[in-house]
Amino acid sequence: ETGVTQTPRHLVMGMTNKKSLKCEQHLGHNAMYWYKQSAKKPLELMFVYSLEERVENNSVPSRFSPECPNSSHLFLHLHTLQPEDSALYLCASSPRLAPGGEQFFGPGTRLTVL
Amino acid sequence: GQQVMQIPQYQHVQEGEDFTTYCNSSTTLSNIQWYKQRPGGHPVFLIQLVKSGEVKKQKRLTFQFGEAKKNSSLHITATQTTDVGTYFCATGTASKLTFGTGTRLQVTL
Repeated sequence: ETGVTQTPRHLVMGMTNKKSLKCEQHLGHNAMYWYKQSAKKPLELMFVYSLEERVENNSVPSRFSPECPNSSHLFLHLHTLQPEDSALYLCASSPRLAPGGEQFFGPGTRLTVL
Repeated sequence: GQQVMQIPQYQHVQEGEDFTTYCNSSTTLSNIQWYKQRPGGHPVFLIQLVKSGEVKKQKRLTFQFGEAKKNSSLHITATQTTDVGTYFCATGTASKLTFGTGTRLQVTL
C-alpha cells in the first residue's frame, strides 16, 4: 500500500534531540491526522488538519509541534521528548473532515526516546 | 468526549472456531467503524455502520450495530490464521475518530 507513506519508519532519539516525522498522502485527501499508539492503550488522536488548517489539538504537550505545509504533507516536529513519549506514531488521511468516513493509515514511525 | 469500551481485550482460539468482539458506549453513536491491525502493521478500515440495527457481512465477518446505536459487534465465523491481529471499533464526530481499546485475536492450528 502506498497511499499514505511515513518516514522514518524507526527513530531512536535522546531527550535533548530535535527530530521530525514526515507523512505524505497520495490520495488527494483534504484531512490529515496524527495519532499516538502506545502499548495497552487505545489509539490517541493528537492533531487534525483540514485543508492545511489545524482543527483539533487534543491537549498534546508543546514538545510535539505539527506542521501542514499543504494538503499532501504533514510533519510532526519533536523536541525535548520524554521516555514515555516512546510509541508508534501513525499518520492518517481522509477525503474530507466529516463525521464518520474511512481513514487511511500510514505504516507508522516507531519512536524510541532514550 | 465519546468513549467506547471493547471486550474482550484478548482472545485465543483454535483455527475453525468462531470469534466475537463487542464494542459498547454509554451514549448513542452516530456511526461505528471497524479496523483491523495485523501484528507490526497499521490499522486498516474494514467497514462503517450508521443505521440502527444494521447488519453487514464481508465473507466470514459479520458486523452489527445495535438497535439503540450504543453497541456493535464483529463476529468471525470459522477463524483462520490470517485473522490474527487486533480489531478496533471507532466512532466519528465532526473532526475526530475515537477508538476503542481493541481486541487482540490469536489463532492457533
